Amino acid sequence: QSVLTQPPSASATPGQTVIISCSGSSSNIGSNYVYWFQHVPGVAPKLLMYKNSQRPSGVPDRFSGSKSGTSASLAISGLRSEDEADYYCAAWDDRVSGRLFGGGTKLTVL
Amino acid sequence: EVQLVESGGGLVQPGGSLKLSCAASGFTFSSYSMNWVRQAPGKGLEWLSYITTTSNTIYYADSVKGRFTISRDNAKDSLYLQMNNLRADDTAVYYCSRDGTVFGDVWGKGTTVTVSS
Repeated sequence: QSVLTQPPSASATPGQTVIISCSGSSSNIGSNYVYWFQHVPGVAPKLLMYKNSQRPSGVPDRFSGSKSGTSASLAISGLRSEDEADYYCAAWDDRVSGRLFGGGTKLTVL
Repeated sequence: EVQLVESGGGLVQPGGSLKLSCAASGFTFSSYSMNWVRQAPGKGLEWLSYITTTSNTIYYADSVKGRFTISRDNAKDSLYLQMNNLRADDTAVYYCSRDGTVFGDVWGKGTTVTVSS
């Protein structure tokens, strides 16, 4: 069971907005940056968001990230079929001295 | 082109050993910390280990501590993961990823490790 908690699944229709949550604690999200990754099985994970809300170059501005206290969220607006993938949050944890991933959220574009 | 390429995966019996490699190119490898991450079949991403540029700081996940050893050779632009006493639940795709001011901005395509008799 992951220390960072994500909903196992999410779904929406093309064009809609979906928000994926990531809940942690004071030792991880509460005191460190949150990262978000998109992963299609069989392909290398892709960095979507770093340092809570920064988008790497090449990531569309349809993707946005935020953090408040010990929780973070990733919003995807104008949903497209190619957004169908698994999404993971990650953060360093000071208590275990290690990086943690959330359990992942499988996004389905209906 | 910035690239990471993992190799060394394969089929190994329970209790056996395997050494994974990650070859870096297109960037100054010695300037970046590195990580190993894996994904078991049907499971999510799991961080395994982290090593700083000069190898002076190393961290491991509890699941692999005492069995896996991360190392690097900056002269060869390579990262390694020595895996000993392998178990069935170590079966996974293993990825290396770059970690500088930003974690995970570059990933390899992964190498598959299967632990089975």
